[in-house]
Amino acid sequence: KQEVTQIPAALSVPEGENLVLNCSFTDSAIYNLQWFRQDPGKGLTSLLLIQSSQREQTSGRLNASLDKSSGRSTLYIAASQPGDSATYLCAVTEGASGSRLTFGEGTQLTVNP
Amino acid sequence: DTEVTQTPKHLVMGMTNKKSLKCEQHMGHRAMYWYKQKAKKPPELMFVYSYEKLSINESVPSRFSPECPNSSLLNLHLHALQPEDSALYLCASSQGGFVLANEKLFFGSGTQLSVL
Repeated sequence: KQEVTQIPAALSVPEGENLVLNCSFTDSAIYNLQWFRQDPGKGLTSLLLIQSSQREQTSGRLNASLDKSSGRSTLYIAASQPGDSATYLCAVTEGASGSRLTFGEGTQLTVNP
Repeated sequence: DTEVTQTPKHLVMGMTNKKSLKCEQHMGHRAMYWYKQKAKKPPELMFVYSYEKLSINESVPSRFSPECPNSSLLNLHLHALQPEDSALYLCASSQGGFVLANEKLFFGSGTQLSVL
């Protein structure tokens, strides 16, 4: 059974810092990996999707990498801002159906002004 | 329009009530999903509809009854719920139907449900 682990569970940084969130998964037979952002009591916003054949994806200040063979992904946030404060979840898609996402428990990020 | 809209945003119901959650998207997506999320936990898949047909039921109790009247609308009918069913219920959609694995999911803001 696929297990997704995110470290750290919580992170607090001063504004302007570059930071890295980590995600690991136990079964490397994935179709893709997605990083989501969730604000308290709200839905999820998909930030980046990396297909299994890709190594990284970039969007603005966000860069996500994928090392499928080692079962790891990182989300790099450059020049963090208070508005980046949220919970970040990674999720892997596996199986013949694209609908079965297995989520990690998330990293709660606080960026202090 | 790139939104998934869920109503109501909040719902309080008793264990004998019948209520429904509603989800709409007008992006032409052909797969729609219901997820349940408990506080400080990741979302858990409940149901998937692909081309308006129920494709996946993750062994959800029958007190939860999904319905997909058309390609834009997804309902979740609730009856005789238990207090442990209190959670954030999230709807999501994706473009091509669930058989295509490499697509982003678009989530609504959710309905926060409290069962008394």
